[in-house]
Amino acid sequence: SQQGEEDPQALSIQEGENATMNCSYKTSINNLQWYRQNSGRGLVHLILIRSNEREKHSGRLRVTLDTSKKSSSLLITASRAADTASYFCATDGRGSSNTGKLIFGQGTTLQVKP
Amino acid sequence: DAGVTQSPTHLIKTRGQQVTLRCSPISGHKSVSWYQQVLGQGPQFIFQYYEKEERGRGNFPDRFSARQFPNYSSELNVNALLLGDSALYLCASSLFPQGANYGYTFGSGTRLTVV
Repeated sequence: SQQGEEDPQALSIQEGENATMNCSYKTSINNLQWYRQNSGRGLVHLILIRSNEREKHSGRLRVTLDTSKKSSSLLITASRAADTASYFCATDGRGSSNTGKLIFGQGTTLQVKP
Repeated sequence: DAGVTQSPTHLIKTRGQQVTLRCSPISGHKSVSWYQQVLGQGPQFIFQYYEKEERGRGNFPDRFSARQFPNYSSELNVNALLLGDSALYLCASSLFPQGANYGYTFGSGTRLTVV
């Protein structure tokens, strides 16, 4: 079953605008990761935030984590057409830290219009 | 440096047939995981192998099996294919078995279509 649920399922914005995607999960975690997927191909790791962190930045990406609400958000600032992709959050689930199991949400499809 | 390579990229099989998918991890990575992604869904964990041993198994039937070779490459086998096995199969490698703690590098996937 899916652990994470992304919101919204689809998002369409103009180039230069900011895009915010949200993720909720069900169980305790050690960390939460965000991945990007272009056109149904491989996933690209964007950023990882650990359960004891509240905010993390990487270039135009900003991720927040609220473990009390079991939620995370991904903000892409000054979006570009090349950011058009599907974005997934993934959690490890505390207790599975000795395995490689990631639990993915259903993803947010982002379209950035030129 | 080569990333994670998967072969073949596309495959069409008939119901009841068997299929073998292959994955070569990044050089130096000893952990390989397999995921199934059905259209419109997020990836679902199938297996993880580390140092040639199974470290985790997802909720998939016994028709799915995998193995890891001494060079850390891996094969995923699916027997008695069903239409519902049509999906993108993704391989991911990591340096440590706890790849979930550090992030994975994914291959581009094998698109399997069962007809």
